[in-house]
Amino acid sequence: TQLLEQSPQFLSIQEGENLTVYCNSSSVFSSLQWYRQEPGEGPVLLVTVVTGGEVKKLKRLTFQFGDARKDSSLHITAAQPGDTGLYLCAGEETSGSRLTFGEGTQLTVNP
Amino acid sequence: GAVVSQHPSRVICKSGTSVKIECRSLDFQATTMFWYRQFPKQSLMLMATSNEGSKATYEQGVEKDKFLINHASLTLSTLTVTSAHPEDSSFYICSAKDGRWAYEQYFGPGTRLTVT
Repeated sequence: TQLLEQSPQFLSIQEGENLTVYCNSSSVFSSLQWYRQEPGEGPVLLVTVVTGGEVKKLKRLTFQFGDARKDSSLHITAAQPGDTGLYLCAGEETSGSRLTFGEGTQLTVNP
Repeated sequence: GAVVSQHPSRVICKSGTSVKIECRSLDFQATTMFWYRQFPKQSLMLMATSNEGSKATYEQGVEKDKFLINHASLTLSTLTVTSAHPEDSSFYICSAKDGRWAYEQYFGPGTRLTVT
């Protein structure tokens, strides 16, 4: 089983600040997905990155896949209270379809 | 598109009884579905991978006789928690992989199981 370390685990910031969440592994993933989860609900897919070095933007969110496909980052610009939630990275193992999840980052954006 | 539903959303059962949770892909065919368990303030833990028409593959430490998985069609997988105990209380989430796309998995809204 491939491991995926996500940091920070908790992040509390003020509205308007920027933040970055990291996911790192010593293993190569065929793809990496970012999800956001609200309490009592299932994760919602934000983006999938596949190619090493790939950068994808979703409004104020920027996702990057490392050149070696072992790490990824999520950067949020000018965070808003509506961004509050649990952010999860998940890597798809090269041996199959299984997703390995990071520990999650609980983001709180204070107004 | 890519909607996955789960039923029930919440269930309370008595210790020793069995509970069935359904996972459906509403607008796509899912050759592979996954079942996860999530404890409060923790990430998702994969329990098993379910392929349509074949036996599920269970993760290490997950009892296949306790967590019965059936994937009888391309749009439905079920998880049955047999002889439930209070320690089985958890948030169970399924996901489905759309056979048309190589990478995306879509998650259901989850089922909160409470065993009394």
